[in-house]
Amino acid sequence: AQSVTQLGSHVSVSEGALVLLRCNYSSSVPPYLFWYVQYPNQGLQLLLKYTTGATLVKGINGFEAEFKKSETSFHLTKPSAHMSDAAEYFCAVIKGGSEKLVFGKGTKLTVNP
Amino acid sequence: DTAVSQTPKYLVTQMGNDKSIKCEQNLGHDTMYWYKQDSKKFLKIMFSYNNKELIINETVPNRFSPKSPDKAHLNLHINSLELGDSAVYFCASSQGYKGPNEQFFGPGTRLTVL
Repeated sequence: AQSVTQLGSHVSVSEGALVLLRCNYSSSVPPYLFWYVQYPNQGLQLLLKYTTGATLVKGINGFEAEFKKSETSFHLTKPSAHMSDAAEYFCAVIKGGSEKLVFGKGTKLTVNP
Repeated sequence: DTAVSQTPKYLVTQMGNDKSIKCEQNLGHDTMYWYKQDSKKFLKIMFSYNNKELIINETVPNRFSPKSPDKAHLNLHINSLELGDSAVYFCASSQGYKGPNEQFFGPGTRLTVL
């Protein structure tokens, strides 16, 4: 079975600081990997996804993530946090050929002025 | 021009009642989903339909019954509501259901069972 582990249910950064949200997956085959963002009282929005090819994936709002097969990781980063980045972030995985999107437990990002 | 819409946004009801949540997508997608997000924000898939055919049916009490009258709609009916059903329910849609297809989420329906 595949699963997704997000280290840190809460991350707090200062405005302008680096954002690093961690995600590790367990899968017997390379999966498809996603990061979704959920702003307060809203649905989820796709930030970026990894399918195949280039391991550094750029997404919306200045976010990027790097797929590292050797570490089974897909950490999300942003060089400089903005107040508007405060939200819940979910890492998710689909194993190739599967229909199911499996989510991690989420990381709440707080950005301090 | 909302892509995935759900009604109602909030639903407060008593235990034992029956309620429905409606979902519509105008993206032309062929696959729709229902997810449940609990109080700890954990998201789990409940059901998925592709071209009106059920393709995912997770371990969900049979009090929950999805219905897809057409590709653009997926409704969720819940019988004999229990306290534990309180959650936010999200509808989503995608084009195709295998592989890295982006799922587009609705705004959610917050169900509170008293």
